[in-house]
Amino acid sequence: DSGVTQTPKHLITATGQRVTLRCSPRSGDLSVYWYQQSLDQGLQFLIHYYNGEERAKGNILERFSAQQFPDLHSELNLSSLELGDSALYFCASSVGSFTGELFFGEGSRLTVL
Amino acid sequence: QQQVKQSPQSLIVQKGGISIINCAYENTAFDYFPWYQQFPGKGPALLIAIRPDVSEKKEGRFTISFNKSAKQFSLHIMDSQPGDSATYFCAASYGARQLTFGSGTQLTVLP
Repeated sequence: DSGVTQTPKHLITATGQRVTLRCSPRSGDLSVYWYQQSLDQGLQFLIHYYNGEERAKGNILERFSAQQFPDLHSELNLSSLELGDSALYFCASSVGSFTGELFFGEGSRLTVL
Repeated sequence: QQQVKQSPQSLIVQKGGISIINCAYENTAFDYFPWYQQFPGKGPALLIAIRPDVSEKKEGRFTISFNKSAKQFSLHIMDSQPGDSATYFCAASYGARQLTFGSGTQLTVLP
């Protein structure tokens, strides 16, 4: 158990809909990272928050947004969903803003029908 | 330049054999090279990591070999066991930047 909690574990929705994925980092970790894992593209970095502030953005679509709250949990919002958004979405946390060792949650599997 | 290229995509090894997974990078600024192990239904977990000031790091049956001039690094799993069957990701980063992951290698160790 990495100590990182993600909900929901599975989510099935329709195209055009909006979903929110939630992540609670390990106790004491200030950084939260979101990654998308699809079969053909491996782990793609989406966004990094450190202590409530956005630190880096990767290949995150404009339809996607994220935030980190004062209690350090984070949410990834995916809107206007398309079939191609179906993937595993991982949250990871680390102690500082330097990546070093990332502790991953078990992921949220999103299926868009 | 941010890419990390990983091969092979899949690997089948007999129990007791050596598993070798290779990664190559272009960005010479990379200064941290971890390997992550992912079991089905789980998130990736750090297995072993190396920095470019050493050419090899060993932890138990797992060894990272690093070739700075060739911009390549590899994971060697000695005496591979069925319990090692998982997907392995190499990654790289520099400074405070996020990890860039390779595409993954699905390892199957036959009993």
